[in-house]
Amino acid sequence: AQKVTQAQTEISVVEKEDVTLDCVYETRDTTYYLFWYKQPPSGELVFLIRRNSFDEQNEISGRYSWNFQKSTSSFNFTITASQVVDSAVYFCALRAVIQGAQKLVFGQGTRLTINP
Amino acid sequence: NAGVTQTPKFRILKIGQSMTLQCAQDMNHNYMYWYRQDPGMGLKLIYYSVGAGITDKGEVPNGYNVSRSTTEYFPLRLELAAPSQTSVYFCASSYDGQIHGYEQFFGPGTRLTVL
Repeated sequence: AQKVTQAQTEISVVEKEDVTLDCVYETRDTTYYLFWYKQPPSGELVFLIRRNSFDEQNEISGRYSWNFQKSTSSFNFTITASQVVDSAVYFCALRAVIQGAQKLVFGQGTRLTINP
Repeated sequence: NAGVTQTPKFRILKIGQSMTLQCAQDMNHNYMYWYRQDPGMGLKLIYYSVGAGITDKGEVPNGYNVSRSTTEYFPLRLELAAPSQTSVYFCASSYDGQIHGYEQFFGPGTRLTVL
């Protein structure tokens, strides 16, 4: 089965705290792609990062970092020194080929609230 | 590039009315998708298309229809609107090719209320 689990439904932290959003995936594919998207209160979906299964290097982009661990089937997202503008719903997704067509399998999302 | 555009941004329908949600992309993507997002929930796939003239059902196709006569446009038709179709609708597009990374690009969404 192709599945993405984001067990944390909601997280609330105080500004400047570090926060990690968990993502666990299931796939039978040997080559696969994982994504994170951000949905701010304005509602649009913003692509953050793509990671393929043959590149296990962690990625850092400013205050954002991603930890990809094939051994635990996890692709966790950490925000360092969080800011109020980071408040959003974050979705983890897995590219899957289902019935011959490529699709994204989304997790249920984690609502992150950064309090001033 | 405008990316993925959707119209209208907001719409209120009465029960039983019909409407078409418009979606266009200017990136020459072969794949296009329609999702709905109910309040506080994740995304559910309604329909998708792998290219002009080819469409298929997603998880929640009942009450909707689509067509794809060109690469650029992928309208979603709601027939006989019901309150259960109150949702935010997102259109997305992507390439099917490793070199392009497979990520989906999303439109801004259409907020639909059925009363």
